[in-house]
Amino acid sequence: AQTVTQSQPEMSVQEAETVTLSCTYDTSESNYYLFWYKQPPSRQMILVIRQEAYKQQNATENRFSVNFQKAAKSFSLKISDSQLGDTAMYFCAFMKQAGAQKLVFGQGTRLTINP
Amino acid sequence: DAGVIQSPRHEVTEMGQEVTLRCKPISGHDYLFWYRQTMMRGLELLIYFNNNVPIDDSGMPEDRFSAKMPNASFSTLKIQPSEPRDSAVYFCASSLGRQTNQPQHFGDGTRLSIL
Repeated sequence: AQTVTQSQPEMSVQEAETVTLSCTYDTSESNYYLFWYKQPPSRQMILVIRQEAYKQQNATENRFSVNFQKAAKSFSLKISDSQLGDTAMYFCAFMKQAGAQKLVFGQGTRLTINP
Repeated sequence: DAGVIQSPRHEVTEMGQEVTLRCKPISGHDYLFWYRQTMMRGLELLIYFNNNVPIDDSGMPEDRFSAKMPNASFSTLKIQPSEPRDSAVYFCASSLGRQTNQPQHFGDGTRLSIL
């Protein structure tokens, strides 16, 4: 079974700073997908970024980028020029490429951006 | 385009009552998922459907929980009888499964409180 671990329950940075959220996972699969979801206080689950394991290039979406280290089974999220609206819970998630469409989530990191 | 629509947004009821949560997936999506979110256990997959057929219900906690998908545009999650420990936020999500790198899109969730 796959597991996802987020070792930082809470983080806090000043507006405009860069912050990196950690995620590690355990799997015997060779092909899979990784996701970061954001859950602001409004409770929505919003997709931030996704990465296909077969791609060596790290995914980027505007101020959000990942550092995907397949051998180390690490998938960190970097937020550049952080904004107050980035305050939220961030969840790392894993999905196998083949077969079941099940997402396995980490426990989440609560990120606070301070003015 | 309309996203995943869940109702009600909040539900407060007394222990022992029947609770029905509703979900309308994104039109054209062939996978539908029900998740439960609690502080203690995080986000857990309860059950998911493919083309209206339940595929994996191993996450359903016990017989008091049941889920149906009578057609491609509607699903229900029912708890009968409800207990205080069922209090949680319940999310519905949908995805386009034939493109396996497509993410799951979440509804706004139903906050359920059992007194």
